[in-house]
Amino acid sequence: ETGVTQTPRHLVMGMTNKKSLKCEQHLGHNAMYWYKQSAKKPLELMFVYSLEERVENNSVPSRFSPECPNSSHLFLHLHTLQPEDSALYLCASSQQTGRGTGANVLTFGAGSRLTVL
Amino acid sequence: AQKITQTQPGMFVQEKEAVTLDCTYDTSDPSYGLFWYKQPSSGEMIFLIYQGSYDQQNATEGRYSLNFQKARKSANLVISASQLGDSAMYFCAMREDDSSASKIIFGSGTRLSIRP
Repeated sequence: ETGVTQTPRHLVMGMTNKKSLKCEQHLGHNAMYWYKQSAKKPLELMFVYSLEERVENNSVPSRFSPECPNSSHLFLHLHTLQPEDSALYLCASSQQTGRGTGANVLTFGAGSRLTVL
Repeated sequence: AQKITQTQPGMFVQEKEAVTLDCTYDTSDPSYGLFWYKQPSSGEMIFLIYQGSYDQQNATEGRYSLNFQKARKSANLVISASQLGDSAMYFCAMREDDSSASKIIFGSGTRLSIRP
């Protein structure tokens, strides 16, 4: 496998369910990200992990819980979600080379389409 | 406050014509980077081109070029000789280097449709 792989591609869940989204990168990158893409809204940065440490939590509700067990894997644990949380959740990775150096180009997965009933 | 602004929600262009997609940004950090991504209907975000704030020349990648005007804080994407496969959403993004890890934020996007 190459690039960034997200599973599942589609998920339908009720508001009382607990589920998880998984992201795996095979690029040797040292940073991973979760973005939320809703209709009619720009991509929203949710979480950033650099060297497996969370360095950004962009005011995301606690019903979203990220986990980064190692530099290749990133999870987004979901519980008691709301219908407005229905969106495309995109995982990305990059190689961070320090402030002001390198492009830090994001490589994205294909996304997990979440529907909350 | 909006840091990345894309004022064109949608554009229609005739095949083989050139097209310019607008992007303006706002930052007080002297070190930053600008990106363009393409998102076809399949949903995957595809990196197109990158411009660093200290780069002296405009970036080019094949049919894509970035018209970087630093004083005006604009980073327009130019696609030459458009093709039907260019129909997609296009997002401008900016990396800010003011934290321990780079944050990359996106504009609202422009939907480009190429007419045969």
